Amino acid sequence: DAGITQSPRHKVTETGTPVTLRCHQTENHRYMYWYRQDPGHGLRLIHYSYGVKDTDKGEVSDGYSVSRSKTEDFLLTLESATSSQTSVYFCAISEPGGGYTFGSGTRLTVV
Amino acid sequence: GQNIDQPTEMTATEGAIVQINCTYQTSGFNGLFWYQQHAGEAPTFLSYNVLDGLEEKGRFSSFLSRSKGYSYLLLKELQMKDSASYLCAVRDSPGSNDYKLSFGAGTTVTVRA
Repeated sequence: DAGITQSPRHKVTETGTPVTLRCHQTENHRYMYWYRQDPGHGLRLIHYSYGVKDTDKGEVSDGYSVSRSKTEDFLLTLESATSSQTSVYFCAISEPGGGYTFGSGTRLTVV
Repeated sequence: GQNIDQPTEMTATEGAIVQINCTYQTSGFNGLFWYQQHAGEAPTFLSYNVLDGLEEKGRFSSFLSRSKGYSYLLLKELQMKDSASYLCAVRDSPGSNDYKLSFGAGTTVTVRA
């Protein structure tokens, strides 16, 4: 299995504060993705990356930004957290034509 | 946009068979995936179909009809450990610079003794 880790695993933060979630992979995969998972909505794509410094928006990108300064790390930042961003966040990696391998997820609560 | 539909919940008895249907309407098609997700855990890969027909892998099989925009996941000889959510996902961007998947909302399967 591909080595992919997310940190933190759990976080509680206050409305209006910035939050950064980290996804780290050890397999040198080119493609990385950030999804959020909410009841009734399934997994929705926030942002994705197809290489260092190459990123693009997904379907629910408002309020989120990403950075990928090196192959192994893909960071998701909530510039000013809101209660609607309370969710479980999953990072995933893939190779062209392949399926995803997911990280263990980050459970974020915005109070 | 993408539209991927699957039933919300299904219940079946241990040892039985359950079929989870997935219909999709996407702007393009380059493969359909099924994932299993136990409560509180990450999704894990189950199967992949890109051509029409049936793919069998042990107790799990997946079928695809591209002309109908339809797939199903068949779980045979159900075990208690099969109680989980099953996610249908479509890759809709052939040949482009992304290989992103669009997911259905998932089907929660409960296996009863």
